[in-house]
Amino acid sequence: DAGITQSPRHKVTETGTPVTLRCHQTENHRYMYWYRQDPGHGLRLIHYSYGVKDTDKGEVSDGYSVSRSKTEDFLLTLESATSSQTSVYFCAISEDSYTDTQYFGPGTRLTVL
Amino acid sequence: DQQVKQNSPSLSVQEGRISILNCDYTNSMFDYFLWYKKYPAEGPTFLISISSIKDKNEDGRFTVFLNKSAKHLSLHIVPSQPGDSAVYFCAASARRYGGSQGNLIFGKGTKLSVKP
Repeated sequence: DAGITQSPRHKVTETGTPVTLRCHQTENHRYMYWYRQDPGHGLRLIHYSYGVKDTDKGEVSDGYSVSRSKTEDFLLTLESATSSQTSVYFCAISEDSYTDTQYFGPGTRLTVL
Repeated sequence: DQQVKQNSPSLSVQEGRISILNCDYTNSMFDYFLWYKKYPAEGPTFLISISSIKDKNEDGRFTVFLNKSAKHLSLHIVPSQPGDSAVYFCAASARRYGGSQGNLIFGKGTKLSVKP
């Protein structure tokens, strides 16, 4: 199994509060991704990173920001959480390119009340 | 506009029989296709992939078939086992174009139940 951890694994928060989710990898892979999974939508890309301090938007980036100050860590921030951001968030990594096989973390279940 | 479609939300199969999961795509630029399996409360795990230069790829009990003219791919599991019960996601990308075109686009998933 690829060495990917996500923290926290579960979080309940209130509307309007800031939330940061962390993805940590021990594989030294260059590419990292944040997805959300919702019923009826499958997995949708939020943001991705192709190196330290190099990030770009995905399909559903509104309301989210990311940062990558170290190869091993990719942070996803909800500046002001909304109920529509209640979801399961997955981090993924890949070694060589955008479309190399991606390996996923265990997920974070976020509930915004 | 959904570029990758898995039209069957669920599929139930008897143990030992063949499971066939289907996936259709609309973007003719897609040239790389993958299947992921997901158990509850876990992240998706890579299962098998196929490049558009091939029409079949096999790995043990799992075979993926690609029909480019129909923009259709399918995953065959033979024989099906109860441990195969999971949600299966089809994904596609336009790898040769690079950049954001290379990002994976996922279908909504098909829940497979294999009954003993």
